Amino acid sequence: DVKVTQSSRYLVKRTGEKVFLECVQDMDHENMFWYRQDPGLGLRLIYFSYDVKMKEKGDIPEGYSVSREKKERFSLILESASTNQTSMYLCASRSPLSGSYEQYFGPGTRLTVT
Amino acid sequence: QQQVKQSPQSLIVQKGGIPIINCAYENTAFDYFPWYQQFPGKGPALLIAIRPDVSEKKEGRFTISFNKSAKQFSLHIMDSQPGDSATYFCAASMGAGSYQLTFGKGTKLSVIP
Repeated sequence: DVKVTQSSRYLVKRTGEKVFLECVQDMDHENMFWYRQDPGLGLRLIYFSYDVKMKEKGDIPEGYSVSREKKERFSLILESASTNQTSMYLCASRSPLSGSYEQYFGPGTRLTVT
Repeated sequence: QQQVKQSPQSLIVQKGGIPIINCAYENTAFDYFPWYQQFPGKGPALLIAIRPDVSEKKEGRFTISFNKSAKQFSLHIMDSQPGDSATYFCAASMGAGSYQLTFGKGTKLSVIP
């Protein structure tokens, strides 16, 4: 079974702090994604990475950056957390080379910025 | 152009009923339409997907109906069960291989015994 794990289920940070959200997948997937999920807004793509050291902006990249130094790990960085970044953050991965385009999601990190 | 509009926002049905969730899109370049199911405390998981060359796809109790001319697609759940209570998201992309999925805003389904 594909497993996508996220470093924390719940996180509370203060305004202005630098925040790291970590995601690890164990299936050698090429593509990885970061979404945020807000009630009534669905899932919105922040950044994605189609391979190691590659990254592309999604729909809402402002205030975020990402890092992918190893194939299995994709990090989301909030350089200076703000209260409007309080949200559920979901990581996903997939392997188009396998012939499947299904995205596999982690359980999410609920981040609260106070 | 990039939006996928999903309705209703929430839905309550009795066990055995057939909930229907609808989605509409504008971008005619979309050609891959998956549905994801999310249980509380879990990430979304792929439920079923359709390409526009077919009008219907069925997997178990779940059916997608697709109307290309109307740019609409819908999810039907036959003989719904309390265990189907979850949030359902439709999505669309320009090709199954496209990196970007555009998600609808979600429908919270409650199936009551």
